Amino acid sequence: AQKITQTQPGMFVQEKEAVTLDCTYDTSDQSYGLFWYKQPSSGEMIFLIYQGSYDEQNATEGRYSLNFQKARKSANLVISASQLGDSAMYFCAMSHTGNQFYFGTGTSLTVIP
Amino acid sequence: DTEVTQTPKHLVMGMTNKKSLKCEQHMGHRAMYWYKQKAKKPPELMFVYSYEKLSINESVPSRFSPECPNSSLLNLHLHALQPEDSALYLCASSPRQGAYEQYFGPGTRLTVT
Repeated sequence: AQKITQTQPGMFVQEKEAVTLDCTYDTSDQSYGLFWYKQPSSGEMIFLIYQGSYDEQNATEGRYSLNFQKARKSANLVISASQLGDSAMYFCAMSHTGNQFYFGTGTSLTVIP
Repeated sequence: DTEVTQTPKHLVMGMTNKKSLKCEQHMGHRAMYWYKQKAKKPPELMFVYSYEKLSINESVPSRFSPECPNSSLLNLHLHALQPEDSALYLCASSPRQGAYEQYFGPGTRLTVT
């Protein structure tokens, strides 16, 4: 069975600081994709960043980077220079060929002015 | 353009009503998804359409009936719903089914009275 674990139900970060949101996964497949989504209170799921299992370099998208440690099966999201607009729910997800997404339980991030 | 649109944004319906949710994308994606999301929970997959054919039905009650009229449109027909069906219903699309990022619409907030 595939599984995504997010162990931080809630996180706080000071504005302009960096924050790391944890995600571990469990799969026996060799080929899979890891994703992070942001969901503000408005409800829309916003795609942030993708890491393929065969990618050797960590993915980066602007202020977002994914710290991929394959041997540890972790895919942590790092947000640099936090902004007030970063306050939201963050979901880690995994997918592999032919199958659907598996979402973690989410981390609620609050950015403090 | 990475936009997925959903209508209506909000819907209140009685348990005897029949209504439909609509989802549209013009990104040329060939996989489309319906999710149900309760407050403070991750999205739960309901249905997957791949190349306009139903690929996955996650044992969803028959009071939910999906339809994919063409590669750009996805509908969810609702009939005789229960109050516990009240939730945010999210539509998503991806280039193909599998380890690809999914792009989500803003969702329809459904309340069943």
